[in-house]
Amino acid sequence: ELKVEQNPLFLSMQEGKNYTIYCNYSTTSDRLYWYRQDPGKSLESLFVLLSNGAVKQEGRLMASLDTKARLSTLHITAAVHDLSATYFCAVMYSGGGADGLTFGKGTHLIIQP
Amino acid sequence: NAGVMQNPRHLVRRRGQEARLRCSPMKGHSHVYWYRQLPEEGLKFMVYLQKENIIDESGMPKERFSAEFPKEGPSILRIQQVVRGDSAAYFCASSPRTSKNIQYFGAGTRLSVL
Repeated sequence: ELKVEQNPLFLSMQEGKNYTIYCNYSTTSDRLYWYRQDPGKSLESLFVLLSNGAVKQEGRLMASLDTKARLSTLHITAAVHDLSATYFCAVMYSGGGADGLTFGKGTHLIIQP
Repeated sequence: NAGVMQNPRHLVRRRGQEARLRCSPMKGHSHVYWYRQLPEEGLKFMVYLQKENIIDESGMPKERFSAEFPKEGPSILRIQQVVRGDSAAYFCASSPRTSKNIQYFGAGTRLSVL
């Protein structure tokens, strides 16, 4: 069974600071997704990472993937209040037979002024 | 191009009633996925459908739950004889071709069972 673990699960930080969210997964996967969810809202796609060493950046967010370590990171640079949300990583199982995404429990990020 | 549309947004049912959740995929998308989210949890995959076919239902509970995606009309997730443990947010996602494309999510249906 594919397991996806995120840490930390809760993060409170001040504006202007940098921090990293980690996503570990338990078995081979050929793609990893990062989503953002605001309270009571749907999930917004942030990044899709397809290969080892992939790095993508959008504004203050940067995501990377190490398939050998089965680890993805989401790095936040100079955080601003608008980035407060829950961030999920999700993995597509590449072993066949299961077509849905497996999600981590999410990281609740609160950015304080 | 409208996004993934789910309705209703909120649904209240008493124990033993039936719940029907609807999902219209994005235009041009022929693949639909249903997920369930319990409070403070990530989404759990339930079922993956294409038009008139269930491709993968490995995440569906064996009883009371069913899903369909007819040739015409929205995909339906049906929960019979609901119990309190069915209370959750149910999200639908769609993608244009294979399941390896980005999945675009709807706003979800929040089911409350009294």
